[in-house]
Amino acid sequence: DAGVIQSPRHEVTEMGQEVTLRCKPISGHDYLFWYRQTMMRGLELLIYFNNNVPIDDSGMPEDRFSAKMPNASFSTLKIQPSEPRDSAVYFCASRIKIDTQYFGPGTRLTVL
Amino acid sequence: RKEVEQDPGPFNVPEGATVAFNCTYSNSASQSFFWYRQDCRKEPKLLMSVYSSGNEDGRFTAQLNRASQYISLLIRDSKLSDSATYLCVVNRGNTPLVFGKGTRLSVIA
Repeated sequence: DAGVIQSPRHEVTEMGQEVTLRCKPISGHDYLFWYRQTMMRGLELLIYFNNNVPIDDSGMPEDRFSAKMPNASFSTLKIQPSEPRDSAVYFCASRIKIDTQYFGPGTRLTVL
Repeated sequence: RKEVEQDPGPFNVPEGATVAFNCTYSNSASQSFFWYRQDCRKEPKLLMSVYSSGNEDGRFTAQLNRASQYISLLIRDSKLSDSATYLCVVNRGNTPLVFGKGTRLSVIA
């Protein structure tokens, strides 16, 4: 299995630009999670989906962040407009029911 | 209070040393427990699950004390390759995992 796939691996953009992060979960997994990790705050859950339906988005920092899961094999996290404080590593993770959770390699986002 | 609390470290230990990490959790409804390992600039990966009776995997031993809501990880005979951040993780069932901020370990030659 290819594992959780994320793209891009690195993104450098300027303040005010739109950023789209992509994730392909492991085939057959029914949960998908988006996390953000910084030194100060550690790993924070932003939003999660079950069977493509958003269940809890209370971790999304503000309206500038949005996430979609149009089908079982694809999800996006969008930031519009981006700000320097959004700089972080964004991880996507997937799991099946309450089994082991697998993380993707992450997208390292830098907003200048 | 954070739901999962860990000593951030860093723990700097010589090769061959034994090191122990502790973690406390606040939600008594937590059902399952894990240690994840995260290498520098990499994603977290499952190291081991933690069972009520305690469990061992090679040089690694995990313990759970439900009454005290306390989890521990013991690493014996530390190797340079054990250098990483160790994340304490709890699960309340069919809900997202809750991660501690991690404890950083550096094993020195």
